[in-house]
Amino acid sequence: QGQLVESGGGVVQPGRSLRLSCLASGFTFSNYGMHWVRQAPGKGLQWVASISYVPSNRYYADAVKGRFTISRDNSKNALYLQMNNVGTEDTAIYYCAKELETWGQGTVVTVSS
Amino acid sequence: QSVLTQPPSVSGTPGQRVTISCSGSNSNIGRNSVNWYQHLPGTAPKLLIYKNNQRPSGVPDRVSGSKSGTSASLAISGLQSEDEADYYCASWDDSLNGFWLFGGGTKLTVL
Repeated sequence: QGQLVESGGGVVQPGRSLRLSCLASGFTFSNYGMHWVRQAPGKGLQWVASISYVPSNRYYADAVKGRFTISRDNSKNALYLQMNNVGTEDTAIYYCAKELETWGQGTVVTVSS
Repeated sequence: QSVLTQPPSVSGTPGQRVTISCSGSNSNIGRNSVNWYQHLPGTAPKLLIYKNNQRPSGVPDRVSGSKSGTSASLAISGLQSEDEADYYCASWDDSLNGFWLFGGGTKLTVL
């Protein structure tokens, strides 16, 4: 099934940018669609973005469209989420997931001044 | 964007059977399959059911899923204390450019 390890979270000021990374191992990364899903404090799971195994297909939740960009580097077995113009509503644990079947432990993003 | 509706909470005693419902629409559950996840705070969500009623290896057969029309259900029989967790349904929605939807989550309490 493989393993996913997220990184890049932290405290960021409103309006600034942050890039999350997800390093994959134990499976052929280039063969699978990948996703970012988040959980805000006290809230449920919320899908953020998806990218197909061929990176031409990308999908975004309305809440992040135009601000976040999902990308992947199959040569590095890595998934990314570029977060621009963040707001307090983006404070959450961010999980990466392979085909929404295998998930990482998450990385915490806190947007605060 | 559309929503998948789950009850906020359900409860049961050890050994009982509980069900969790997930109500959607024609653009999501009505046309696409449903996944179910178990989530404990601070941990990675765990896939319990995929393609409406399929169990990944390692998920016990006391866990089952079903789908009818625009609704789906998760059933857990022989309830155990370790089943206490949050449960989420998820389905792809075909409207607009397409997106994934998660239900609001259901807190299962084992009394």
